[in-house]
Amino acid sequence: AQKITQTQPGMFVQEKEAVTLDCTYDTSDPSYGLFWYKQPSSGEMIFLIYQGSYDQQNATEGRYSLNFQKARKSANLVISASQLGDSAMYFCAMRERNGQNFVFGPGTRLSVLP
Amino acid sequence: EAQVTQNPRYLITVTGKKLTVTCSQNMNHEYMSWYRQDPGLGLRQIYYSMNVEVTDKGDVPEGYKVSRKEKRNFPLILESPSPNQTSLYFCASSAKQGVNEKLFFGSGTQLSVL
Repeated sequence: AQKITQTQPGMFVQEKEAVTLDCTYDTSDPSYGLFWYKQPSSGEMIFLIYQGSYDQQNATEGRYSLNFQKARKSANLVISASQLGDSAMYFCAMRERNGQNFVFGPGTRLSVLP
Repeated sequence: EAQVTQNPRYLITVTGKKLTVTCSQNMNHEYMSWYRQDPGLGLRQIYYSMNVEVTDKGDVPEGYKVSRKEKRNFPLILESPSPNQTSLYFCASSAKQGVNEKLFFGSGTQLSVL
């Protein structure tokens, strides 16, 4: 069964606007971590933000924030004030305490329009 | 500098000619993993390793071999490459303990099998 779901294969956003990339996950482990990575056209994988299952507050890193809704098992990435350089593939990933392996979603391609 | 080093960056080969993609990390990480990335399919895990001499199959292990004789190295071996193994490959590593330990990626290997 798919553990990480990203239902938006592609998204468009106007420059300077905010955008939300969806991620839902499936786990029975009470302890887990959620990660977002960015892959620009150059190909490298860039870590953006982390959210722990026991964290009381939503994670934020600069223009990136994570809308964590534990009961709904969703961990959506919010990018505020989009920039042209935000155009990239974005991957959601999870690491469970049991097993310790990482699982990735299929990714969302974001295109920022001038 | 903490890094995961993959070599080569680009590789063109022919069907059936054995090849090895090397991966080395300098962070003393226990966990290492190989992924392949194909358009529309996201990141698919090939093999992963939780420690020296401990390896496990991921989602798409057929046609690949790995070994983990030393903590820092985790080579990916294609004994008899075929054109359907043409892909972008990533090696990654992480500390084993803790769901908050992020994954560090190598810069990728673009493999073409003719």
